[in-house]
Amino acid sequence: KAGVTQTPRYLIKTRGQQVTLSCSPISGHRSVSWYQQTPGQGLQFLFEYFSETQRNKGNFPGRFSGRQFSNSRSEMNVSTLELGDSALYLCASSLAGGLAGTEQYFGPGTRLTVT
Amino acid sequence: AQKITQTQPGMFVQEKEAVTLDCTYDTSDQSYGLFWYKQPSSGEMIFLIYQGSYDEQNATEGRYSLNFQKARKSANLVISASQLGDSAMYFCAMRTNSGGSNYKLTFGKGTLLTVNP
Repeated sequence: KAGVTQTPRYLIKTRGQQVTLSCSPISGHRSVSWYQQTPGQGLQFLFEYFSETQRNKGNFPGRFSGRQFSNSRSEMNVSTLELGDSALYLCASSLAGGLAGTEQYFGPGTRLTVT
Repeated sequence: AQKITQTQPGMFVQEKEAVTLDCTYDTSDQSYGLFWYKQPSSGEMIFLIYQGSYDEQNATEGRYSLNFQKARKSANLVISASQLGDSAMYFCAMRTNSGGSNYKLTFGKGTLLTVNP
Protein backbone atom coordinates (compact mmCIF):
# COMPACT_ATOMS: atom_id res chain seq x y z
CA LYS A 1 0.00 0.00 0.00
CA ALA A 2 1.46 3.37 -0.98
CA GLY A 3 2.16 5.80 1.83
CA VAL A 4 1.29 9.46 2.15
CA THR A 5 2.80 11.50 -0.65
CA GLN A 6 3.51 15.20 -0.63
CA THR A 7 4.43 17.40 -3.55
CA PRO A 8 6.61 19.22 -4.11
CA ARG A 9 9.29 18.08 -1.70
CA TYR A 10 11.18 21.36 -1.85
CA LEU A 11 10.06 24.83 -2.75
CA ILE A 12 11.63 28.27 -2.79
CA LYS A 13 9.36 31.30 -2.91
CA THR A 14 9.73 35.04 -2.50
CA ARG A 15 8.08 37.15 0.19
CA GLY A 16 4.61 38.23 -0.86
CA GLN A 17 4.01 35.32 -3.19
CA GLN A 18 1.55 32.54 -2.56
CA VAL A 19 2.15 28.81 -2.53
CA THR A 20 0.09 25.64 -2.81
CA LEU A 21 1.21 22.34 -1.32
CA SER A 22 -0.37 19.01 -2.11
CA CYS A 23 -0.94 15.89 -0.05
CA SER A 24 -2.27 12.52 -1.21
CA PRO A 25 -3.33 10.32 1.70
CA ILE A 26 -3.08 6.57 1.95
CA SER A 27 -5.75 4.90 -0.14
CA GLY A 28 -8.95 4.63 1.86
CA HIS A 29 -7.98 7.29 4.38
CA ARG A 30 -10.46 10.14 4.62
CA SER A 31 -8.81 12.42 7.16
CA VAL A 32 -5.88 14.67 6.29
CA SER A 33 -4.12 16.92 8.80
CA TRP A 34 -1.48 19.55 8.16
CA TYR A 35 1.38 20.59 10.43
CA GLN A 36 4.08 23.23 10.35
CA GLN A 37 7.51 22.49 11.80
CA THR A 38 10.03 25.26 12.45
CA PRO A 39 13.17 25.33 14.62
CA GLY A 40 11.73 28.11 16.75
CA GLN A 41 8.09 27.08 17.22
CA GLY A 42 8.48 23.35 16.80
CA LEU A 43 5.58 21.31 15.49
CA GLN A 44 2.25 23.07 15.26
CA PHE A 45 -1.09 21.82 14.06
CA LEU A 46 -2.59 23.78 11.18
CA PHE A 47 -5.90 22.12 10.32
CA GLU A 48 -7.62 18.84 9.63
CA TYR A 49 -9.96 17.92 6.79
CA PHE A 50 -12.41 15.08 6.68
CA SER A 51 -14.80 14.35 3.83
CA GLU A 52 -13.99 17.69 2.17
CA THR A 53 -14.82 19.66 5.33
CA GLN A 54 -12.46 21.36 7.74
CA ARG A 55 -13.00 19.57 11.02
CA ASN A 56 -10.33 21.11 13.25
CA LYS A 57 -8.21 24.22 13.07
CA GLY A 58 -5.09 25.39 14.87
CA ASN A 59 -4.08 28.95 15.70
CA PHE A 60 -2.78 30.22 12.40
CA PRO A 61 -3.71 33.40 10.53
CA GLY A 62 -6.17 33.37 7.67
CA ARG A 63 -3.30 33.41 5.17
CA PHE A 64 -3.14 29.69 5.76
CA SER A 65 -6.00 27.81 4.15
CA GLY A 66 -6.71 24.39 2.85
CA ARG A 67 -9.18 22.21 1.09
CA GLN A 68 -9.89 18.59 0.45
CA PHE A 69 -11.17 16.99 -2.70
CA SER A 70 -13.63 14.15 -3.13
CA ASN A 71 -10.74 11.69 -3.57
CA SER A 72 -9.40 12.83 -0.15
CA ARG A 73 -6.39 14.57 -1.64
CA SER A 74 -5.73 17.82 0.14
CA GLU A 75 -4.08 21.09 -0.70
CA MET A 76 -2.74 23.76 1.60
CA ASN A 77 -2.37 27.33 0.46
CA VAL A 78 -0.36 30.12 2.02
CA SER A 79 -0.90 33.60 0.65
CA THR A 80 1.30 36.67 1.05
CA LEU A 81 4.28 34.64 2.17
CA GLU A 82 6.44 35.92 5.02
CA LEU A 83 9.98 34.93 5.92
CA GLY A 84 8.62 33.22 9.03
CA ASP A 85 6.61 30.84 6.87
CA SER A 86 9.82 29.02 5.99
CA ALA A 87 9.25 25.58 7.46
CA LEU A 88 8.75 21.90 6.89
CA TYR A 89 5.08 21.29 6.18
CA LEU A 90 3.90 17.83 7.04
CA CYS A 91 0.63 16.20 6.24
CA ALA A 92 -0.80 13.14 7.91
CA SER A 93 -3.64 10.84 6.98
CA SER A 94 -5.84 8.50 8.94
CA LEU A 95 -8.83 6.33 8.22
CA ALA A 96 -11.47 8.50 9.79
CA GLY A 97 -10.44 9.32 13.30
CA GLY A 98 -7.98 12.04 12.41
CA LEU A 99 -7.07 13.85 15.58
CA ALA A 100 -9.66 11.80 17.46
CA GLY A 101 -8.03 8.54 16.44
CA THR A 102 -5.02 6.74 17.77
CA GLU A 103 -2.82 6.75 14.66
CA GLN A 104 -1.81 9.09 11.91
CA TYR A 105 0.54 8.33 9.05
CA PHE A 106 2.78 11.15 7.96
CA GLY A 107 4.19 12.07 4.59
CA PRO A 108 7.83 13.08 3.98
CA GLY A 109 6.97 16.77 4.11
CA THR A 110 7.45 19.78 1.87
CA ARG A 111 10.31 22.07 2.81
CA LEU A 112 9.34 25.64 2.00
CA THR A 113 11.94 28.38 1.95
CA VAL A 114 10.79 31.97 1.70
CA THR A 115 13.43 34.50 0.61
CA ALA B 1 -3.68 25.74 28.55
CA GLN B 2 -2.28 22.49 27.24
CA LYS B 3 1.44 22.01 27.45
CA ILE B 4 3.93 19.24 26.73
CA THR B 5 7.41 19.36 28.23
CA GLN B 6 10.34 17.27 27.09
CA THR B 7 13.23 18.22 29.35
CA GLN B 8 15.96 16.28 27.54
CA PRO B 9 17.13 18.10 24.41
CA GLY B 10 19.53 15.23 23.70
CA MET B 11 20.15 11.72 24.94
CA PHE B 12 22.87 9.17 24.28
CA VAL B 13 22.54 5.41 24.69
CA GLN B 14 24.69 2.44 23.88
CA GLU B 15 23.40 -0.03 21.34
CA LYS B 16 21.35 -2.85 22.93
CA GLU B 17 20.69 -0.87 26.10
CA ALA B 18 17.31 0.51 27.17
CA VAL B 19 16.60 4.25 27.24
CA THR B 20 13.81 6.36 28.72
CA LEU B 21 12.70 9.60 27.09
CA ASP B 22 10.83 11.91 29.44
CA CYS B 23 7.55 13.65 28.76
CA THR B 24 5.34 15.57 31.15
CA TYR B 25 2.06 17.19 30.23
CA ASP B 26 -0.34 19.70 31.61
CA THR B 27 -4.05 19.76 30.91
CA SER B 28 -7.24 20.23 32.87
CA ASP B 29 -9.14 17.89 30.55
CA GLN B 30 -10.14 14.50 31.94
CA SER B 31 -10.05 12.82 28.56
CA TYR B 32 -6.93 13.12 26.47
CA GLY B 33 -4.55 11.05 24.40
CA LEU B 34 -0.78 10.86 24.44
CA PHE B 35 1.38 10.02 21.43
CA TRP B 36 5.01 9.43 20.69
CA TYR B 37 6.47 10.02 17.25
CA LYS B 38 9.91 9.40 15.80
CA GLN B 39 11.40 11.74 13.21
CA PRO B 40 14.56 10.51 11.48
CA SER B 41 16.80 12.96 9.67
CA SER B 42 14.76 12.33 6.51
CA GLY B 43 11.96 14.37 8.09
CA GLU B 44 9.09 11.90 8.00
CA MET B 45 7.21 11.50 11.27
CA ILE B 46 6.63 7.92 12.33
CA PHE B 47 3.89 7.02 14.82
CA LEU B 48 5.24 4.85 17.64
CA ILE B 49 2.71 4.46 20.41
CA TYR B 50 -0.55 5.81 21.85
CA GLN B 51 -1.95 5.97 25.38
CA GLY B 52 -5.46 7.10 26.24
CA SER B 53 -6.04 8.85 29.54
CA TYR B 54 -8.52 6.19 30.64
CA ASP B 55 -6.34 3.27 29.63
CA GLU B 56 -5.43 1.38 32.78
CA GLN B 57 -2.53 -0.51 31.31
CA ASN B 58 0.61 1.02 29.88
CA ALA B 59 0.73 0.84 26.10
CA THR B 60 3.34 -1.35 24.43
CA GLU B 61 4.33 -1.74 20.79
CA GLY B 62 7.21 -4.07 20.19
CA ARG B 63 10.34 -2.51 21.70
CA TYR B 64 8.42 0.62 22.67
CA SER B 65 6.47 1.01 25.88
CA LEU B 66 4.86 4.02 27.44
CA ASN B 67 5.29 4.49 31.16
CA PHE B 68 2.05 6.34 31.96
CA GLN B 69 1.84 7.90 35.43
CA LYS B 70 -1.40 9.84 35.45
CA ALA B 71 -1.03 11.41 38.88
CA ARG B 72 2.39 12.73 37.95
CA LYS B 73 1.18 13.71 34.49
CA SER B 74 4.04 11.93 32.85
CA ALA B 75 4.16 9.71 29.76
CA ASN B 76 7.72 8.55 29.33
CA LEU B 77 8.76 6.47 26.34
CA VAL B 78 10.92 3.44 27.02
CA ILE B 79 12.87 1.92 24.16
CA SER B 80 14.31 -1.47 24.96
CA ALA B 81 17.35 -2.98 23.25
CA SER B 82 18.30 0.19 21.35
CA GLN B 83 19.36 -0.13 17.75
CA LEU B 84 21.45 2.20 15.60
CA GLY B 85 18.33 2.91 13.55
CA ASP B 86 16.66 4.36 16.63
CA SER B 87 18.83 7.46 16.33
CA ALA B 88 16.30 10.20 15.61
CA MET B 89 14.28 13.03 17.11
CA TYR B 90 11.43 11.87 19.33
CA PHE B 91 8.31 13.92 19.95
CA CYS B 92 5.71 13.55 22.64
CA ALA B 93 2.25 14.93 21.78
CA MET B 94 -1.05 15.34 23.57
CA ARG B 95 -4.53 15.42 22.09
CA THR B 96 -7.22 17.27 23.96
CA ASN B 97 -10.83 18.06 23.19
CA SER B 98 -12.53 21.35 23.90
CA GLY B 99 -15.98 20.03 23.08
CA GLY B 100 -17.66 18.19 20.24
CA SER B 101 -15.16 17.47 17.53
CA ASN B 102 -12.85 20.36 18.49
CA TYR B 103 -9.59 18.54 18.98
CA LYS B 104 -6.19 20.06 19.55
CA LEU B 105 -2.82 18.39 19.21
CA THR B 106 0.11 19.86 21.14
CA PHE B 107 3.70 18.73 20.60
CA GLY B 108 6.74 18.90 22.82
CA LYS B 109 10.04 20.34 21.59
CA GLY B 110 11.51 16.90 21.07
CA THR B 111 14.47 14.85 22.28
CA LEU B 112 17.33 13.96 19.95
CA LEU B 113 18.37 10.38 20.66
CA THR B 114 21.75 9.13 19.51
CA VAL B 115 22.51 5.43 19.70
CA ASN B 116 26.22 4.65 19.89
CA PRO B 117 27.66 1.37 18.59
